[in-house]
Amino acid sequence: QVQLQESGPGLVKPSETLSLTCTVSGGSVSSGSYYWNWIRQPPGKGLEWIGYIYYSGSTRNNPSLKSRVTISKDTSKNQFSLKLSSVTAADTAVYYCARYHPQGGMDVWGQGTTVIVSS
Amino acid sequence: SYEVTQPPSVSVSPGQTASITCSGDKLGDKDACWFQQKPGQSPVLVIYHNSWRPSGIPERFSGSNSGNTATLTISGTQAMDEADYYCQAWDSSTVIFGGGTKLTVL
Repeated sequence: QVQLQESGPGLVKPSETLSLTCTVSGGSVSSGSYYWNWIRQPPGKGLEWIGYIYYSGSTRNNPSLKSRVTISKDTSKNQFSLKLSSVTAADTAVYYCARYHPQGGMDVWGQGTTVIVSS
Repeated sequence: SYEVTQPPSVSVSPGQTASITCSGDKLGDKDACWFQQKPGQSPVLVIYHNSWRPSGIPERFSGSNSGNTATLTISGTQAMDEADYYCQAWDSSTVIFGGGTKLTVL
């Protein structure tokens, strides 16, 4: 059974870069047709999609985040990562990684990790 | 950019049927999913491909999608179904979430 686990600093200073990693167990980030997603949820608010990396390595990001987002994967470590640059307090949120397959939906989520942006 | 809209809240009595809507332009032409999220927990997929239930999801959860509206229906609603529900669709290879609906069972 595939499991996802987010990791990374819980506190980031304004204007710096937020970096998170999602470790995949029980499956492979290179498995065919899977999209590996990052989603966030500010305190008391709804879900916001950040972006994904396809198993092939192609990526797509939420246009609202403009060019601040970089998503990559490390096949040797079976991980995929998020970098969000120039963070502000508005980037404070619980960050989730999640797996999507066209035949099964976004069916596996990590437990989420809280990131606070503050000096 | 494409948007989908949900009512902020829906209330239902135990044992009754709850319907949560998700509206968007020609949403019926897209693939809609639904997630349940309880406080402090990660979202859980309850409906995908408009009306398919993942294994382990009770039969009382069903979905439909036609025209401009996708609907999540919970039949015989139980107290344990009280949660936030989010619809999700794809548009131009990007993921779109609705704002969420708080379902209260009272």
